[in-house]
Amino acid sequence: AQTVTQSQPEMSVQEAETVTLSCTYDTSESDYYLFWYKQPPSRQMILVIRQEAYKQQNATENRFSVNFQKAAKSFSLKISDSQLGDAAMYFCAYRRGETSGSRLTFGEGTQLTVNP
Amino acid sequence: DAGVTQSPTHLIKTRGQHVTLRCSPISGHKSVSWYQQVLGQGPQFIFQYYEKEERGRGNFPDRFSARQFPNYSSELNVNALLLGDSALYLCASSRANRGWNEKLFFGSGTQLSVL
Repeated sequence: AQTVTQSQPEMSVQEAETVTLSCTYDTSESDYYLFWYKQPPSRQMILVIRQEAYKQQNATENRFSVNFQKAAKSFSLKISDSQLGDAAMYFCAYRRGETSGSRLTFGEGTQLTVNP
Repeated sequence: DAGVTQSPTHLIKTRGQHVTLRCSPISGHKSVSWYQQVLGQGPQFIFQYYEKEERGRGNFPDRFSARQFPNYSSELNVNALLLGDSALYLCASSRANRGWNEKLFFGSGTQLSVL
């Protein structure tokens, strides 16, 4: 079974600074996808960024980027120029291949606080 | 367009009762998935339905069941409620059943408390 581990229950960052959230996963599959979701107090899960396992290039979405280390099974999220609105719970998630539909395996989450 | 809507937003039940949670997907979306999020944990996959057929089931007991209607809305039913069923239940929709480019859109969930 696939597992996703987020070893940082809480992180904090100063506004305008950079923070990195860690995620490791375990799988024997070669075809899979990785995601970072944000869950603000409204409880709605919002997709931040996604990465295809077969792509060497790290995904980037504006201030958000990932460091995908396939051999190490590591998938960290870097938030640059942190803003107050970035404060939320962040979840790393794994999806196995194209045929697994919308079955995501989530980590335990990291609560990010942004200090003004 | 409206996003994924779930009802009710909050619900209180007692042990042994049953509960029905409802989800309306985004217009044009044919796939609906259900997740359970216990406090302090990440969401866990319960079911996926596509075109009114079950396409995936997570590791949940038979007390949990779901269905999808012709208009693609969905219901999640839980029988014989236990204290451990207290959680936020999230619904997500997407246009299709597969394809990594299919983005999941989540609702704001139903908070179920079992006393």
